[in-house]
Amino acid sequence: LAKTTQPISMDSYEGQEVNITCSHNNIATNDYITWYQQFPSQGPRFIIQGYKTKVTNEVASLFIPADRKSSTLSLPRVSLSDTAVYYCLVGDPGTGGFKTIFGAGTRLFVKA
Amino acid sequence: GAGVSQTPSNKVTEKGKYVELRCDPISGHTALYWYRQSLGQGPEFLIYFQGTGAADDSGLPNDRFFAVRPEGSVSTLKIQRTERGDSAVYLCASSLGLAGGFGYNEQFFGPGTRLTVL
Repeated sequence: LAKTTQPISMDSYEGQEVNITCSHNNIATNDYITWYQQFPSQGPRFIIQGYKTKVTNEVASLFIPADRKSSTLSLPRVSLSDTAVYYCLVGDPGTGGFKTIFGAGTRLFVKA
Repeated sequence: GAGVSQTPSNKVTEKGKYVELRCDPISGHTALYWYRQSLGQGPEFLIYFQGTGAADDSGLPNDRFFAVRPEGSVSTLKIQRTERGDSAVYLCASSLGLAGGFGYNEQFFGPGTRLTVL
């Protein structure tokens, strides 16, 4: 299984763009990259998933370079409510699911 | 629609006792996952079901842990001879589980069961 490495924590201010980078040097050909968000006392919540280049949804953007050895989650104009832990995962959804390894995640703290 | 539900929300037990934790996935989701999460750590994968069968149980820490999903819907995580180190939040998630799909593996999590072993 591909291992991921993320910064342990990040601080930001309201209204700023936040970029969280994840390294996954051993990503396999069929692996997708998925990001989850977790608030205290809640289960993780899916944010975005991608395979290569750029993916954007109403919440975030995901940038994946050509070698796919890293990915960057971009949160535009964060607010206090974006304070959470963000997890980067890699895995092959080709069989309908995969053993999901979360890692320690990145604790984002947004200040006023 | 209803999300993933887990019962009980809290469980306090004594060392050596047996506990069962239940997960009701989203209707129609064929894939079901169990995780446990300790304070300050990310969710730790335990087991993943595709339908009724355990597709990957390599995360179960030892033979005291067992999970079933007899009809491909509700799942029960069973822990025998509980130890204090089993104290954690146990999370369940489900997904559509369709093969070959981009985004089909989005997992929807329940609120978790907080297990405390005294």
